[in-house]
Amino acid sequence: NAGVMQNPRHLVRRRGQEARLRCSPMKGHSHVYWYRQLPEEGLKFMVYLQKENIIDESGMPKERFSAEFPKEGPSILRIQQVVRGDSAAYFCASSPRAADTIYFGEGSWLTVV
Amino acid sequence: AQSVSQHNHHVILSEAASLELGCNYSYGGTVNLFWYVQYPGQHLQLLLKYFSGDPLVKGIKGFEAEFIKSKFSFNLRKPSVQWSDTAEYFCAVNAGDTGGFKTIFGAGTRLFVKA
Repeated sequence: NAGVMQNPRHLVRRRGQEARLRCSPMKGHSHVYWYRQLPEEGLKFMVYLQKENIIDESGMPKERFSAEFPKEGPSILRIQQVVRGDSAAYFCASSPRAADTIYFGEGSWLTVV
Repeated sequence: AQSVSQHNHHVILSEAASLELGCNYSYGGTVNLFWYVQYPGQHLQLLLKYFSGDPLVKGIKGFEAEFIKSKFSFNLRKPSVQWSDTAEYFCAVNAGDTGGFKTIFGAGTRLFVKA
């Protein structure tokens, strides 16, 4: 029974490149959440999605960041034209229902050089 | 908007000491409450949760938490910590439809247990 799967685990990008982070939720989970973790800052909510819908993107920066969760395939967090400040751990989580327990993946560490 | 405050950012204890980590949330309606733990180099794992019923909830590894509605608190406790409890602990709240169904986390408390 696979948990939340994230890839890549580690990603290095040069400034100005694009980063794509993928997340496959647990089997039977249709709710996906993305969080960003910076040192000493805890987990910051970015976006909440259900299949084909963005439910809440109040934590997403207005520019360069986007997320999707298509009918088929994993959820994608896309960061265009990365800057050094985007370097962080990005965690995906999923749940079977709204407001229920969320289960985390192992994270994707983005380093921008 | 809901928010979560964790009072201590860093805690250092000796083995066998008792632990209490504070957590307060700002939302006045019905909430679901969680504590997660993140061991070094690992992802977040659920320690325990409160949805309804007995306000004293027991989780894994001997942890427990008490929901006190009048104080908007959900403090985490363990009577006797072990070196293996060294980790970062996150309190989280979900306020359901009035909170947009998103789970919001506190800034975390780093616990270091001295052997």
